[in-house]
Formats: sequence, structure tokens, C-alpha cells
Amino acid sequence: AQKVTQAQTEISVVEKEDVTLDCVYETRDTTYYLFWYKQPPSGELVFLIRRNSFDEQNEISGRYSWNFQKSTSSFNFTITASQVVDSAVYFCALSGGAYNFNKFYFGSGTKLNVKP
Amino acid sequence: DSGVTQTPKHLITATGQRVTLRCSPRSGDLSVYWYQQSLDQGLQFLIHYYNGEERAKGNILERFSAQQFPDLHSELNLSSLELGDSALYFCASSLSGREQYFGPGTRLTVT
Repeated sequence: AQKVTQAQTEISVVEKEDVTLDCVYETRDTTYYLFWYKQPPSGELVFLIRRNSFDEQNEISGRYSWNFQKSTSSFNFTITASQVVDSAVYFCALSGGAYNFNKFYFGSGTKLNVKP
Repeated sequence: DSGVTQTPKHLITATGQRVTLRCSPRSGDLSVYWYQQSLDQGLQFLIHYYNGEERAKGNILERFSAQQFPDLHSELNLSSLELGDSALYFCASSLSGREQYFGPGTRLTVT
């Protein structure tokens, strides 16, 4: 069964603090993709990153970084020096398997509040 | 702007009614996915179409149906509406199936 767990329902930080959003996934597939999406207060879902199961290299994009660890089935997302504009709900998602690329499984989301 | 359009933005209707939500994918994208986002259920995958053919079904009720037309736009039909169907309905499109680009959503309120 495919499942994504985001245990942190809501996180509040003060601007400029670093924050890590956790994502743990379950899959029996050897080939799969992991994603992060951002949903700001405006409501639209914004694609942030895709990582395939064969690429465990961590990625950095500006203040954003992602840590993919297959050994712990985790794909965590870190925002460095958070800003008020980072306030949003962040979703981790999974798709995968030989016949499962047609389905996406989303976690329940983590609401990030960045206070000035 | 993701390039995916959804109409209408807001819809208010009564229980028992039927509504149609429309989605136009990004230019060149062959896949369309529909999702329901409600407060208690999170983001739920409903259905996926690829180039006019249904490819996968998720937690879609029998009262709901969808189709993708030759011009690749898609419609989600919701019938016999109940209060619990009130939610934000998203459409997403994809070319490769490896990432999705979401539309702004249609907020459905059933009264």
C-alpha cells in the first residue's frame, strides 16, 4: 500500500529561523517518485520538487533543501532563514510502481506559520 | 500561473443538484487529474485521464464521473450532491506523469 505521513500538523517559527518539515512514506515499489507542493493562503498548489527513488542525492534550491533517505523512507524539507512569505501548507506526495504512476498519494499537509 | 485553468472559481448549489466542473490543461499536457480537498479528508485523488482515456481511479464516489474530450479539456460531473461534497476541487495536468501542475481550484459549496 502507498502511504505518506506528515506527522507535523502545524509548525510556528519566527522569521529567520530554520525549519524542517518531515515526510515519511510507505511503498513496496522499487521505483517511485516523491514530491513536495506548497499551498499558500491563496489556495493554489505549487510544485516545488520531484525526486525519483534512484536518486538519493540531496538537493538545494536557494533557501530550500531536501533530504531523501531511503533507509528511513523519509523525504524531509528544510527551509533556511524562513520568511513570512513561506507561510503556507506544505504537502508531500508519492507516486510510483510499474503500474502506479497514474496515482498520486498526498500526505495530510503541514501548516507552516512564519511570524515576523 | 501554472497554465491550468478551472471554471468556475466558485459554485454554490443545493443538495440533490448536479454540477459540472471544467478543467483545461497546460498546452501540450495529455494527462488530467482530479482531486478533492476537504478539511477532514485532506487532498484526495479522484481520477486520472490520459489523452481521453481513463487511467486510474482513486476515492471517487459513484455519483461522480469525469471525462476528457478530444481537445484534452476535462469535466468532472458531480450529481445528487450532498452537504459533505462541499470542498475545493483541483485539476492538475501533466505531460510526463512525473509531476503535476495544479489549477486554481473550484470551491463548491452545497447548501
